[in-house]
This record gives sequence, C-alpha cells and structure tokens, in this order.
Amino acid sequence: QKEVEQNSGPLSVPEGAIASLNCTYSDRGSQSFFWYRQYSGKSPELIMSIYSNGDKEDGRFTAQLNKASQYVSLLIRDSQPSDSATYLCAAPTGGGNKLTFGTGTQLKVEL
Amino acid sequence: ETGVTQTPRHLVMGMTNKKSLKCEQHLGHNAMYWYKQSAKKPLELMFVYNFKEQTENNSVPSRFSPECPNSSHLFLHLHTLQPEDSALYLCASSKKGVTEAFFGQGTRLTVV
Repeated sequence: QKEVEQNSGPLSVPEGAIASLNCTYSDRGSQSFFWYRQYSGKSPELIMSIYSNGDKEDGRFTAQLNKASQYVSLLIRDSQPSDSATYLCAAPTGGGNKLTFGTGTQLKVEL
Repeated sequence: ETGVTQTPRHLVMGMTNKKSLKCEQHLGHNAMYWYKQSAKKPLELMFVYNFKEQTENNSVPSRFSPECPNSSHLFLHLHTLQPEDSALYLCASSKKGVTEAFFGQGTRLTVV
C-alpha cells in the first residue's frame, strides 16, 4: 500500500462547479497534511495545510480531514479555468523525517 | 521570489560532463530535500537532509551525489548521467518534524 494515495484523474468539472479532490494515507502517526498545486512545468505551491479533524476554509478552498478514516480532501468552490493544474496531497512519514507526496490528481476546469 | 532559490534554472549537459545543482533557503528551516520529476510522472523523493545529516537516500544511483554543507545550502553533484535522467529537479525545505515544505523553482535538466 502506498503511503499517500490519490486518483490520477483527470478530473473534469465545468466552470463554477465544486471540484472535490481526495487523498488517503496509511501512516496513522501522520498529524499534518498539505495540499499543493502544480502547474505544468512549474514547481509545487503550497495552498492548504490542515492539522485537526474537520474542515478548514481559505477563500474558495476547503480542506477536510478525517483521521479515523485516514482521509483528507480538498474542495474548490466556484472552479475557474485558472484552477486547472495537478493537485498533490502530502503527509509526513517515516517518523516525521520526510514529506511524502501522492501521485497527484489532474484537475481540468472547462469553460 | 520564494524563500528557496535554485540555480541554474535550466541545464543541458553531455553524458560525460560533471555539473552541480545548487539550492539555498532563507527560511530558517533545518530539513532540505531533493526531488526528481520526470515528464508526466509524480514527484520522486531522492534525498533528505536533517540538520546537515543525510537521513534518506531513496535508492538513488551513485551518479547523483548530494552535499549539504549547512542547513541553508544543498547541492546535487551530477556526473556521467544518462538521457533518462533528464527531468525537473526540485529542492524543498521545511522545519524538521515536519511542517510545510516550500519548493524552489526547479532546475530543468536535459542530458544529451
């Protein structure tokens, strides 16, 4: 089992819709989780961090964490074409000595 | 401008060349990472340094040689590379134990 898993997509949503991106993790010791956005040919950019169960909102983005189910998600409301990118989920593993990334989900927001 | 700076941004090298990638962070972090990202593939962790000590070598071939002289600088020395080593090489840093990691702009490496 991979330490951090995501569906590779692509996930296509129409402009203005809600995009839902999902991630599962295997290390129950992980206490913090991160979402990164990566445009093609660019480096990953941190967009959300979440440390506690429940929801965390920042603008159009909401991160959701369920530690019992080992599940973390990212919701993007009012999706825009500029949101089209690959979204990477990450969590500390190996006793917190490294940050492990999922394979990323490609999101396409269509006009 | 990010707190993590990588140079050069682009590099073309022959298979017999020796070159080095440089990464510098100004965020006060004490963990630094090298990742490789090949075209349309996920991030691959290569090396992890915590407080200048290497704590992870993800079965990377010896033609890649990392160096971390202090917590702010990280190098990746390259020699006798293969064309399949062409990729985007990303440096990142974080506080140990682990908070968010921040990435540099990357070095686009082409081996000819």
